[in-house]
Amino acid sequence: GAVVSQHPSRVICKSGTSVKIECRSLDFQATTMFWYRQFPKKSLMLMATSNEGSKATYEQGVEKDKFLINHASLTLSTLTVTSAHPEDSSFYICSASGLADQETQYFGPGTRLLVL
Amino acid sequence: SQQGEEDPQALSIQEGENATMNCSYKTSINNLQWYRQNSGRGLVHLILIRSNEREKHSGRLRVTLDTSKKSSSLLITASRAADTASYFCMNYGGSQGNLIFGKGTKLSVKP
Repeated sequence: GAVVSQHPSRVICKSGTSVKIECRSLDFQATTMFWYRQFPKKSLMLMATSNEGSKATYEQGVEKDKFLINHASLTLSTLTVTSAHPEDSSFYICSASGLADQETQYFGPGTRLLVL
Repeated sequence: SQQGEEDPQALSIQEGENATMNCSYKTSINNLQWYRQNSGRGLVHLILIRSNEREKHSGRLRVTLDTSKKSSSLLITASRAADTASYFCMNYGGSQGNLIFGKGTKLSVKP
């Protein structure tokens, strides 16, 4: 089956630093990748949708300058949390869908970010 | 990974009718959430019901939860063509906080 990986799985950083999270589709070409944020024991919140080679589409209320998304290839999307603050601490999850089956999303295992 | 299951897998109704979707799960849960997905788009959160709640309303949505049967239902009243989408349940369960998604119900509302 389709596998999506995320790296790192956990990251702790100081306030004011930037953190990059990678999302990779390991065995399929992901034409579309989605980034979600999940607060503890709460729902997933869709942050943005990225299509390979084009700018990401951000959901209302998500700061695009704060959460930089790059989808440079069909197997890699990155989310950079710039100038991170403690309130950015969360669980970030990506998902990917491929050209062969655009309606199925395969989820990564998530990245837990803690900003001190 | 464990998965819940929604039924029916597909549902086709006329505008104005009610749509009911069911979800069953296997693990113990803290809460259960329903999401909607338009074709090719990301999941959008609709409603969350906690394990100690039995029913919850949000607009035209009504969700019930029966923890003894490990099942939940989502009712969309007075459906509209714009409600056409896939609907998924997700339960938050386990000490690791893993996400467990159902397979989804594809709803088609004909105008």
